[in-house]
Amino acid sequence: DAGVIQSPRHEVTEMGQEVTLRCKPISGHDYLFWYRQTMMRGLELLIYFNNNVPIDDSGMPEDRFSAKMPNASFSTLKIQPSEPRDSAVYFCASTPTGSSGANVLTFGAGSRLTVL
Amino acid sequence: TQLLEQSPQFLSIQEGENLTVYCNSSSVFSSLQWYRQEPGEGPVLLVTVVTGGEVKKLKRLTFQFGDARKDSSLHITAAQPGDTGLYLCAGSLSGGYNKLIFGAGTRLAVHP
Repeated sequence: DAGVIQSPRHEVTEMGQEVTLRCKPISGHDYLFWYRQTMMRGLELLIYFNNNVPIDDSGMPEDRFSAKMPNASFSTLKIQPSEPRDSAVYFCASTPTGSSGANVLTFGAGSRLTVL
Repeated sequence: TQLLEQSPQFLSIQEGENLTVYCNSSSVFSSLQWYRQEPGEGPVLLVTVVTGGEVKKLKRLTFQFGDARKDSSLHITAAQPGDTGLYLCAGSLSGGYNKLIFGAGTRLAVHP
């Protein structure tokens, strides 16, 4: 298995531009998570999906952020318009339903976003 | 304020030394996990602990879950440069609920 695949790996953009980050989860994993990592705040959960349906988006910072999962093999996280404070590494992770309730997350390599 | 507090934040040691890092909370977790993250990569799961008081060993790494399921520790024996990285603990607040909360991490540097 190729693991969780994220693109782009690096994105540099100017304030006000739209940014779209992409994720392909591991086949058969029915949960998908988007996290953001910064030095100041660590890893923060933004949103997660189960069977393509958003379950909890309470971590999404504001209306400029949106996430979709049109099918089981693809998800996007969009920021419009982007701001310098959105600069961070964005991780996608997936997991199958855990029989014990202890979930094993497999993370992608991350997308490093820099907003100038 | 982090739900999971990790300490120390930074640790720089020489090869061969032993170390312990801690993960503490006032909340009870149904399970707790430890991940290691290397630069430019995503976190990779090391271990999951589920039962209060549980101890798990992974080669030179020993993980313990507190009796009350509010805290955990990671002990590394005879650290090696390959152990260098960011160690993250992550807790699940209730069984079957797939939302992991991460601590801020302990950044470990092991020098030859």
